[in-house]
Amino acid sequence: DTEVTQTPKHLVMGMTNKKSLKCEQHMGHRAMYWYKQKAKKPPELMFVYSYEKLSINESVPSRFSPECPNSSLLNLHLHALQPEDSALYLCASRGTLKNTEAFFGQGTRLTVV
Amino acid sequence: DAKTTQPTSMDCAEGRAANLPCNHSTISGNEYVYWYRQIHSQGPQYIIHGLKNNETNEMASLIITEDRKSSTLILPHATLRDTAVYYCIVRVANFGNEKLTFGTGTRLTIIP
Repeated sequence: DTEVTQTPKHLVMGMTNKKSLKCEQHMGHRAMYWYKQKAKKPPELMFVYSYEKLSINESVPSRFSPECPNSSLLNLHLHALQPEDSALYLCASRGTLKNTEAFFGQGTRLTVV
Repeated sequence: DAKTTQPTSMDCAEGRAANLPCNHSTISGNEYVYWYRQIHSQGPQYIIHGLKNNETNEMASLIITEDRKSSTLILPHATLRDTAVYYCIVRVANFGNEKLTFGTGTRLTIIP
């Protein structure tokens, strides 16, 4: 199983809503990533978790709150988002062996209204 | 991670070899060159990576210059399904607090 599964695939939320994005992998990978991608732009790194601990936060606003409850699961909690936060949110995971590649999910298309 | 420079866009005829260049003149000795591609609205897909030797797998070949300051991804027989944005990334191979940072990439269009 070399899949990273993201749910939901699409999400529409209001600016006062609270929602969560979910990412799951069963490859035993101990590094997991959240990226944000706007249309026609490259993915931008948001957070990195290493062994279930947050190791990198790329100065992401606090309305985005990541969580890694176990080694297979990564969540991104969303609260009080703005319309400009509408984007494709991508999750990735990577194993601990040297120079292994990262695997990406298909993303959650988020629209904030 | 070292910065990379890629052409914004390229066209290639179907069935021909697609050669995608990448400059990474500030690459460090312990940084690998990775290639990913992203087909429209999908997650990035790993293609190939290398340190200093040329590499080949079922998808592509990677040619890295001897000074390691540039590389070329080769898709030997391009098909319409190879139309995508191709990203060249350089990063250290260790695990932990490493970033996987995407540059602007090359938009490759395969022409029938």
